[in-house]
Amino acid sequence: RKEVEQDPGPFNVPEGATVAFNCTYSNSASQSFFWYRQDCRKEPKLLMSVYSSGNEDGRFTAQLNRASQYISLLIRDSKLSDSATYLCVVPRFGNEKLTFGTGTRLTIIP
Amino acid sequence: NAGVTQTPKFRILKIGQSMTLQCTQDMNHNYMYWYRQDPGMGLKLIYYSVGAGITDKGEVPNGYNVSRSTTEDFPLRLELAAPSQTSVYFCASSYLDRYNSPLHFGNGTRLTVT
Repeated sequence: RKEVEQDPGPFNVPEGATVAFNCTYSNSASQSFFWYRQDCRKEPKLLMSVYSSGNEDGRFTAQLNRASQYISLLIRDSKLSDSATYLCVVPRFGNEKLTFGTGTRLTIIP
Repeated sequence: NAGVTQTPKFRILKIGQSMTLQCTQDMNHNYMYWYRQDPGMGLKLIYYSVGAGITDKGEVPNGYNVSRSTTEDFPLRLELAAPSQTSVYFCASSYLDRYNSPLHFGNGTRLTVT
């Protein structure tokens, strides 16, 4: 099993809809998780951190399921500006090596 | 506060040439990283450093070298450029704190080797 796995998509979603995608991880000892967004040809930027069961920030909700070893990202009332690739990051042994998922590509359709 | 600064933004190299990608951060972060991202692919870790004087290999270190003489700077050296090194290179830094350590990325260097 890969350290971090994401559904690559693409997810094509109409504007205003709710979309969710998952990130599974293999290291059960992982304590913190991060979602980044990456726009085309740009650097990744932090979207959300997850330390316990989940986190919510406006239209974005991240939930952690330790038993099944996955974290999910839910986007409500999607906007055209949400179109991006969403990367899942799972730290291992502190912060020495950060494993990135391949990302989930999301396109919001007008 | 500039964050993480990478230079150059773009570069074209001929096979066999060498170059250094510069990365500097002004946030006093201990951890620094170099990633490469091939078109349509995820980020792969090349090298990382947990502090000045300490470096270690990531997933794809072959063909690269790094040094960390100061907290601020973490240059990446390509000695003999190969077409397989055509990629976008991102430098990043983070705090030592493992529970609150998001990465701060530079804008990237787009390298083409022909």
